[in-house]
Amino acid sequence: AQTVTQSQPEMSVQEAETVTLSCTYDTSESDYYLFWYKQPPSRQMILVIRQEAYKQQNATENRFSVNFQKAAKSFSLKISDSQLGDAAMYFCAYRSGGGGTSYGKLTFGQGTILTVHP
Amino acid sequence: GAVVSQHPSWVICKSGTSVKIECRSLDFQATTMFWYRQFPKQSLMLMATSNEGSKATYEQGVEKDKFLINHASLTLSTLTVTSAHPEDSSFYICSAPSIAGSNQPQHFGDGTRLSIL
Repeated sequence: AQTVTQSQPEMSVQEAETVTLSCTYDTSESDYYLFWYKQPPSRQMILVIRQEAYKQQNATENRFSVNFQKAAKSFSLKISDSQLGDAAMYFCAYRSGGGGTSYGKLTFGQGTILTVHP
Repeated sequence: GAVVSQHPSWVICKSGTSVKIECRSLDFQATTMFWYRQFPKQSLMLMATSNEGSKATYEQGVEKDKFLINHASLTLSTLTVTSAHPEDSSFYICSAPSIAGSNQPQHFGDGTRLSIL
């Protein structure tokens, strides 16, 4: 079974600065996807960024970028120019690339609560 | 775009009653629906996977008779918490795998906050 680990229960950052959230995972599969989700106080699940395991290039979405180290099974999220609206709980998630009855199943890490100070 | 509508968003009820939570897929057919439970400041824990027309698959430790899941149509999956007790109070979220061509891996409902008195 796959596992996802976020070792930082809480992080804080000053507005306009950069913060990196850590995530490691364990899998024996070669085809998979990794995601970062944001959950603000409204508790909606918002997709921040995704990474296909077969792609060597790190994904980037505006101020959000990842450092995907496949051999080390590491998938960190960097938030640049942090904004007050970035304050939320962030989850790293894994999805197998295979099909079957569990197609689409996400395995989540424990989450990291990010506080942004003005 | 594809949306999962989840109702109710918040429910408060007395201990011993049963509560039904509905998740409807709008504009697409959800053959699979995942049901998650989330305690405050904790992660989403998968409770069960429902597949249209077949029995749900429950994760280890989840009581099948306590959390009844029905997925009788391609657009509706329901979770019924039977004889609810205060320890069942939690946040419940459903999600369906994305449709082909979507840039979203999953479509999440907005969640249901369940409070048992």
